[in-house]
Amino acid sequence: RKEVEQDPGPFNVPEGATVAFNCTYSNSASQSFFWYRQDCRKEPKLLMSVYSSGNEDGRFTAQLNRASQYISLLIRDSKLSDSATYLCAVNRRSQAGTALIFGKGTTLSVSS
Amino acid sequence: GAVVSQHPSWVICKSGTSVKIECRSLDFQATTMFWYRQFPKQSLMLMATSNEGSKATYEQGVEKDKFLINHASLTLSTLTVTSAHPEDSSFYICSAIPLTSSYEQYFGPGTRLTVT
Repeated sequence: RKEVEQDPGPFNVPEGATVAFNCTYSNSASQSFFWYRQDCRKEPKLLMSVYSSGNEDGRFTAQLNRASQYISLLIRDSKLSDSATYLCAVNRRSQAGTALIFGKGTTLSVSS
Repeated sequence: GAVVSQHPSWVICKSGTSVKIECRSLDFQATTMFWYRQFPKQSLMLMATSNEGSKATYEQGVEKDKFLINHASLTLSTLTVTSAHPEDSSFYICSAIPLTSSYEQYFGPGTRLTVT
């Protein structure tokens, strides 16, 4: 089983739509969870961290369910500028350091 | 603050040659840096964890003799792709964790390698 798995997508939605992405992780010892946004041919940019209590940043809401080892990202009132690939990431601690393990990414295309 | 640079941003080389990619933390010191590789329409795959002054730790399936990593200072890590082949063509991205942070990573802009 892969360490981090995501909805394959792509998601094609009209402006104003609400869209949700899901991600599961296999290591129950994982402590930190993130959503990143990646535009074509660019590096990933941190969108938000994900906490057990859930967190919201404007139109974006992230949730964590530790029991199900599942994280989600909800985008409300989609904008054209939200078109990108969204990657979930989970930390993995080892003797070498704490690395981020990424899901495959889900592509979102918002159209007018 | 927290800027990571990579050089070159893109490179084209012939099969069989070696290519060195630099990753620098410009305004912070980083004990740990990471190297990722991303093929088209694929996710970022962790290649190795690089700690200053020690040998890099490679992920399973990544050939350490082919992807040489050197982390000689707190602001610089290099990845050398030796005897490159067309299948090594990819987007290579580094990231760094500041000394003052336990987990927050900052990513470089990536290096696009094309091997002909």
